[in-house]
Amino acid sequence: QVYLVESGGGVVQPGRSLRLSCAASGFSFRNYAMHWVRQAPGKGLEWVALTSYDGSNKFYADSVKGRFTISRDNSKNILYLQMVSLRAEDTAVYYCASPGGRRYLNYWGQGTLVTVSS
Amino acid sequence: NFVLTQPHSVSESPGKTVTLSCTRISGTIGSNYVLWYQQRPGSSPTNVIYEDNQRPSGVPDRFSGSIDRSSNSAYLTISGLKTEDEADYYCQSYDSNSLLVFGGGTRLTVL
Repeated sequence: QVYLVESGGGVVQPGRSLRLSCAASGFSFRNYAMHWVRQAPGKGLEWVALTSYDGSNKFYADSVKGRFTISRDNSKNILYLQMVSLRAEDTAVYYCASPGGRRYLNYWGQGTLVTVSS
Repeated sequence: NFVLTQPHSVSESPGKTVTLSCTRISGTIGSNYVLWYQQRPGSSPTNVIYEDNQRPSGVPDRFSGSIDRSSNSAYLTISGLKTEDEADYYCQSYDSNSLLVFGGGTRLTVL
């Protein structure tokens, strides 16, 4: 059984930082790309960031470029999203997801809510 | 970059067939694969169509995908609607850097 479990969400003031984690199990985490996708309350899905299987290539949505950093620790099967200079518009549920060898995002976590508010 | 536009909401009766649209604004719909995700209330998304018209294992054949270059749109058709199909549906494609682009989503109500 595949599990992706996000953590690290919470309430944070604008301009502050937060680091999200995604613990993976049940599949060969080290072999697959990993994504972060977010969903603002009552809104649609927005792709945020992608890391290649080994962390050597990283890509970001324009809305977070320069503020968010995706990384992974393949020895611990954990994906991270470091978020700095947070804004109200970053308020969302953040999902980690992976194709896991498929041609679509096959595995999704349950999401962790980040609320940016003073 | 480009935008994928979806109607905000669609409703249809059980047993009927519904077709959801996803129109690409800028660029050609056929230049990159289109995928569809279903998101039931309170749940994470799951894929129902990939590579324009392929179904993952476990997705019933009531779900089908297509693209129409003349309308520059992709379509998700669900036949024999069931109440369990009530969900938000998102189309997704790739930009020139193979990065993901999602549509705004359509809320399907089955009543």
